[in-house]
Amino acid sequence: DSGVTQTPKHLITATGQRVTLRCSPRSGDLSVYWYQQSLDQGLQFLIQYYNGEERAKGNILERFSAQQFPDLHSELNLSSLELGDSALYFCASSVERGGEWQYFGPGTRLTVT
Amino acid sequence: DQQVKQNSPSLSVQEGRISILNCDYTNSMFDYFLWYKKYPAEGPTFLISISSIKDKNEDGRFTVFLNKSAKHLSLHIVPSQPGDSAVYFCAASGASGSARQLTFGSGTQLTVLP
Repeated sequence: DSGVTQTPKHLITATGQRVTLRCSPRSGDLSVYWYQQSLDQGLQFLIQYYNGEERAKGNILERFSAQQFPDLHSELNLSSLELGDSALYFCASSVERGGEWQYFGPGTRLTVT
Repeated sequence: DQQVKQNSPSLSVQEGRISILNCDYTNSMFDYFLWYKKYPAEGPTFLISISSIKDKNEDGRFTVFLNKSAKHLSLHIVPSQPGDSAVYFCAASGASGSARQLTFGSGTQLTVLP
């Protein structure tokens, strides 16, 4: 158990809908990262927050947004969903502002039908 | 543009033998490399890492080798055990402004046969 929790574990929704994925980092970790893993792909970095502020952006679509709250939990919002958004979404956390030793949650499997 | 490549999607090895997983990268700004292991229905877990100032790092049965001139790293597992069966991701990190990001390869499924 990495100490990073993600909810929900599975999510099935229809095209055009909006969903919110939630992540609670390890106790004491200030950085939260979001990754997308599509079928047979590596993990694609989406976005990082550090202590409530956006720190880095990767290949995140404009239809996606995230935020980190004062209690350090983070939410990833996906809107106008398309079939291609079906993927595993992982959250990771680290102590440092830019930490290589990232601890990953179990992921949320999103299926868009 | 894949900056980190794992060209072998799968590898099967007999228990007790050596497993060698390979990874190539293209970005010369990467200065830190990591291997993560992932079991089904779980998130990736950190396994071992190496800084670009070293060419080898060892931790128990796991050794990572870095060849900077070839932009190549490899993970050796000796001896391989059935519990090592998992997907192994290579990742690279380099400073980009004030942030450091991990760039992952697509993974190699290792199966250790009893």
